Amino acid sequence: DTEVTQTPKHLVMGMTNKKSLKCEQHMGHRAMYWYKQKAKKPPELMFVYSYEKLSINESVPSRFSPECPNSSLLNLHLHALQPEDSALYLCASSQGFRSGGRAVREQFFGPGTRLTVL
Amino acid sequence: AQSVTQPDIHITVSEGASLELRCNYSYGATPYLFWYVQSPGQGLQLLLKYFSGDTLVQGIKGFEAEFKRSQSSFNLRKPSVHWSDAAEYFCAVGTYYGGSQGNLIFGKGTKLSVKP
Repeated sequence: DTEVTQTPKHLVMGMTNKKSLKCEQHMGHRAMYWYKQKAKKPPELMFVYSYEKLSINESVPSRFSPECPNSSLLNLHLHALQPEDSALYLCASSQGFRSGGRAVREQFFGPGTRLTVL
Repeated sequence: AQSVTQPDIHITVSEGASLELRCNYSYGATPYLFWYVQSPGQGLQLLLKYFSGDTLVQGIKGFEAEFKRSQSSFNLRKPSVHWSDAAEYFCAVGTYYGGSQGNLIFGKGTKLSVKP
């Protein structure tokens, strides 16, 4: 299985709602990523989990809360979002990297969740 | 600082014509280079990658790319474009965080349109 799945495909939420995005992979990868992509722009990194621990947080507002319950799952909890947070949210996974090992891996992306905040 | 430049925002080619998408990178060490393709509303699909060795790399869907260290370039090519190749193409360079973590820096993308 070389697929990264994301649910839901589309999500519409109000600014007071709480929702979650889910991502799953069964490739045995130990690094997982959340990206945000606005229209006609490249993906922007939000978070990186390595061996189920948060290793990179690119100064993302606290209204976005990531969670990695196990090596196959990655969640992004959303609360009190703003309309400017509307975007395509992409999950990716790659082989893990340990200190002193090869640090760069190709990332495999899911199809994304199209989020609209009203 | 690491960076990736894709000089062409939008390219239109005729179906059956050849294609070359340009990518230039700025990176202090040996780069790890990638090309991804994204269809509208979809995720990114890896076309090919370069880590080391042969500077001409073959990818999926008939694409190839050539790494030229002297020009800091990693241009993507295809000899004959199909209408289904219309999409956004992103070049990316692999980077390091703190000596062990890795991530990708993306160029701004090139939109490819294909004329019948």
